[in-house]
Amino acid sequence: DSGVTQTPKHLITATGQRVTLRCSPRSGDLSVYWYQQSLDQGLQFLIQYYNGEERAKGNILERFSAQQFPDLHSELNLSSLELGDSALYFCASSGSFSGNTIYFGEGSWLTVV
Amino acid sequence: AQSVTQLGSHVSVSEGALVLLRCNYSSSVPPYLFWYVQYPNQGLQLLLKYTSAATLVKGINGFEAEFKKSETSFHLTKPSAHMSDAAEYFCAVSNQDSGYALNFGKGTSLLVTP
Repeated sequence: DSGVTQTPKHLITATGQRVTLRCSPRSGDLSVYWYQQSLDQGLQFLIQYYNGEERAKGNILERFSAQQFPDLHSELNLSSLELGDSALYFCASSGSFSGNTIYFGEGSWLTVV
Repeated sequence: AQSVTQLGSHVSVSEGALVLLRCNYSSSVPPYLFWYVQYPNQGLQLLLKYTSAATLVKGINGFEAEFKKSETSFHLTKPSAHMSDAAEYFCAVSNQDSGYALNFGKGTSLLVTP
């Protein structure tokens, strides 16, 4: 158990819909990362927050957004969903961003039908 | 800019044989390098990491990796494979330019045969 909690574990939704994935980082970790894992794209970095502020941005679509709340939990919002958004979405956390170990949650499986 | 290339999307070894998974990196500034393992239907677990200390890094489950700057490599090895080592292995790089977010390779699937 990494200490990073993600909900829901599985989600099935229709095209055009909007979903929210939730992440609770390890106790004390200030940095949260979101990743997307799919068969064709592999593991793609989406976005990073540090203590509530956006720190780095990767290959995140405009239809996707994220935020980190004062209690340090984070949410990833995916809207206008397409079939190609079906993937495993990981949240990860670390104590800081200077090469500290990044711990991953179990992921949220999203299936868009 | 930073990236990693994992040579070989599938590697098959016999139980008890040497495991060698290859990773080459590209980074414009000194990198941090990581190996993660993913078992089926599970998240990513850190095997080991290089953060500019010793170039030979020992990790969990008997794995180790050597940072070779001249070859821009960070290959993962284990002297003797176990059946339980069968999994997907990911090499990743991070540096200051990326905000220390991990940039992963495409992964290598390790198959261990009896």
